[in-house]
Amino acid sequence: QQQVKQSPQSLIVQKGGISIINCAYENTAFDYFPWYQQFPGKGPALLIAIRPDVSEKKEGRFTISFNKSAKQFSLHIMDSQPGDSATYFCAARNNAGNMLTFGGGTRLMVKP
Amino acid sequence: DAGVIQSPRHEVTEMGQEVTLRCKPISGHDYLFWYRQTMMRGLELLIYFNNNVPIDDSGMPEDRFSAKMPNASFSTLKIQPSEPRDSAVYFCASSSEQVFPTEAFFGQGTRLTVV
Repeated sequence: QQQVKQSPQSLIVQKGGISIINCAYENTAFDYFPWYQQFPGKGPALLIAIRPDVSEKKEGRFTISFNKSAKQFSLHIMDSQPGDSATYFCAARNNAGNMLTFGGGTRLMVKP
Repeated sequence: DAGVIQSPRHEVTEMGQEVTLRCKPISGHDYLFWYRQTMMRGLELLIYFNNNVPIDDSGMPEDRFSAKMPNASFSTLKIQPSEPRDSAVYFCASSSEQVFPTEAFFGQGTRLTVV
């Protein structure tokens, strides 16, 4: 059972555009929502994360928007660059342990 | 710190053979996770350990898969016998409960091909 649903599966954006990736969850026991970035041949690496008591978090060009009532969160990449081309995973942590459940991933391609 | 270290980086084996994947977590981390990544299923958690003790192995697909963590600095994931459908990239990750928010640090992965 997929506890974190991510969309779209793939995304093509022009350089300078905004990339938006969405995730939804069901489990109210989730207490921490990170986004991971993965380049080909590498393991996923933490990009940015948010706790559910905050509705938005911004780090540079990357912003997480969080809607607790709707159980949805999204990643916005402003001024997308070709170097942002990677696979992005949303995740959620269960407060009963330290385990992360990942979404299915979004393959982002930013065209020059 | 060198990060999470996995070996080998690539493994090609014949169906029916035993495969052992290895992981050295970041020193001081008390959680260790094994994930499998495929195009079809994305990142799946297979098993995780806390202080060397297996906590949840519900993601292990079959009895052919087993994992051990004999000490805080070493873990193995074994597949015996291997099958072509086991072909995937296997990641090991570690994290510390002492640090919140939690960040799971991933190794570079082992790309397994079973022919």
